[in-house]
Order: sequence, then C-alpha cells, then structure tokens
Amino acid sequence: GDSVTQMEGPVTLSEEAFLTINCTYTATGYPSLFWYVQYPGEGLQLLLKATKADDKGSNKGFEATYRKETTSFHLEKGSVQVSDSAVYFCALSDPSGGSYIPTFGRGTSLIVHP
Amino acid sequence: NAGVTQTPKFRVLKTGQSMTLLCAQDMNHEYMYWYRQDPGMGLRLIHYSVGEGTTAKGEVPDGYNVSRLKKQNFLLGLESAAPSQTSVYFCASTDPWRSTDTQYFGPGTRLTVL
Repeated sequence: GDSVTQMEGPVTLSEEAFLTINCTYTATGYPSLFWYVQYPGEGLQLLLKATKADDKGSNKGFEATYRKETTSFHLEKGSVQVSDSAVYFCALSDPSGGSYIPTFGRGTSLIVHP
Repeated sequence: NAGVTQTPKFRVLKTGQSMTLLCAQDMNHEYMYWYRQDPGMGLRLIHYSVGEGTTAKGEVPDGYNVSRLKKQNFLLGLESAAPSQTSVYFCASTDPWRSTDTQYFGPGTRLTVL
C-alpha cells in the first residue's frame, strides 16, 4: 500500500535558520503530494501541494518540489521565524484506485527559538 | 463561510458512557472523514463517507460508529467509552473534483475518558 515517511522531530532551530524537513513516499499510481501544518491547539491546514512530477508548491516562504525519480517531497524554507513553530505533516493522495483516502506521515515538530 | 466546524471542543467522559461528536461543513463536499490523533502516532483514520447516506471503515474503526444522514453533517459515536479512546478527534472534508484532494480540517475535539 501507499506510505509516507518523514523525518522524526523535534527539529529545533534559531530564528532565520534554514529549514529542511525530509519526506519520501511510496505509491502505486501517480499521487498528489501535500504539506499540512498544525499550529498548537488547532486542526491541520494545507500549506502547499503539488499534483505532478517536477511541480513546485510554495506558500508563506515554504517550498517543496515533487521529485518522482527520488520519490521525495522535501519541505524547505530559507529563513524560519518563531511563528513557524508547529507540526508539519507530509501526505499523499492517490486516486488511481478510485479512493480518495489520503496517507499521512507521522508529523515533524518544528521549534524555532528567538 | 465557516468551513469545517466540530462540537464539542472539549469533553470528559467516564468509562462506559456514550457520546456523539458532530462535524459540519458548509462547502458542499462529498467526502468526509474522522481521524484521531495521538502522540507519536500521527493521524489515524477511523471512518469515512463518500457521500450522503454512505459510511466506510478506516484504519481504527473498533468502538466507533458513524452516520451521514445529511451531506453537510458527519457524526461520530462512542457507544461505551474506554480510556483507550482518550484522544484528539479531527473531522475533515474534501471534494476531489474541485479541490484536488485538499483536505479541510476542523479545529478538533479533545476527549478524555476516565
């Protein structure tokens, strides 16, 4: 079946540091790939997405590129802020089988210190 | 446009008690989902629905029942609560034909079973 593996946290950074959170996936079809963010005490919300190979999703300074050859969708940000402290989930949705049941990674906690 | 709402936000139950969690969405989405989130476990799918009047089991359905009598509402029931059901419950909805599988999440219900 489909699966998503993302790096374990917590990731602890100082403000203005560079961020990378690794995400790799396995899927039988041609999935869409997502990053969701969960701020403390809230539900998940979409951060960015990519629907086909070589697409780059971007939002709020975050970027991720859909790499089919390495089955990866790593999240990056050039300069993190304290307000970016949250849990980040990588996910895929593979509708090739007619089912829209997404697969989520376990989440990576990011802590940014001033 | 409220998006996805969940009631209640918090609840404390005693073992053996029953309760119903309500999820409502105003985006006319066909698909709705119930997840539970536990530390270190990520999101796990309990039940889902692909349209009004339909329900299906997810990864961890035991001890839960659901109903989708109206398109905009998805109810999650616990008939006899157990301490193992202490968790944060999230509802989500999507319309794959309009939103490319993006999931829209509610704010969560924090349930404690004593």
